[in-house]
Amino acid sequence: QKEVEQDPGPLSVPEGAIVSLNCTYSNSAFQYFMWYRQYSRKGPELLMYTYSSGNKEDGRFTAQVDKSSKYISLFIRDSQPSDSATYLCAMIDAGGTSYGKLTFGQGTILTVHP
Amino acid sequence: SQTIHQWPATLVQPVGSPLSLECTVEGTSNPNLYWYRQAAGRGLQLLFYSVGIGQISSEVPQNLSASRPQDRQFILSSKKLLLSDSGFYLCAWGLRGGRLEAFFGQGTRLTVV
Repeated sequence: QKEVEQDPGPLSVPEGAIVSLNCTYSNSAFQYFMWYRQYSRKGPELLMYTYSSGNKEDGRFTAQVDKSSKYISLFIRDSQPSDSATYLCAMIDAGGTSYGKLTFGQGTILTVHP
Repeated sequence: SQTIHQWPATLVQPVGSPLSLECTVEGTSNPNLYWYRQAAGRGLQLLFYSVGIGQISSEVPQNLSASRPQDRQFILSSKKLLLSDSGFYLCAWGLRGGRLEAFFGQGTRLTVV
């Protein structure tokens, strides 16, 4: 079993839709959670960074963490064609020896069509 | 502000040839540095990380090596490339202590033929 599971999609939605992206994880030591967006042939860019369980909002993006269920989500409101990309969840075990090493999900390919 | 440079963007190399990919970071000191590889349709796999000059830790056994000759320079190398070394290689940096997210370069797409 992979430490982080993420449905690869692809996911196709119309412009203006609410998008829900999800990851589950098995390692209860993960404490920090991130969402990255990666455009084709580019490096990932950080979208959201969360630590505790609950919601964090930034513009059209909301990150949700449920540590009890080992489940994280990213919601995109009013989706735009420019949101079309691969979305990667990532997590860190912040124990003393982790040195900030990220464990990634497989990534979900999202297409928002006009 | 901090920036990360990675080159080349694209590389086609024959099997058995050597490899050297370079990454430099500007605007920060004593960063943690990372090399990740992304296979097609896959997430990122950590290959190496470094917490200081000359300090390299390998995450997976492979045909590659890494070096950190200067504080903000990270190099990925191979003496003889294999077909299985093809992929998208990403360099990243992170802060020592504090927030733990990584910031990525634009990647090198390596095709071994």
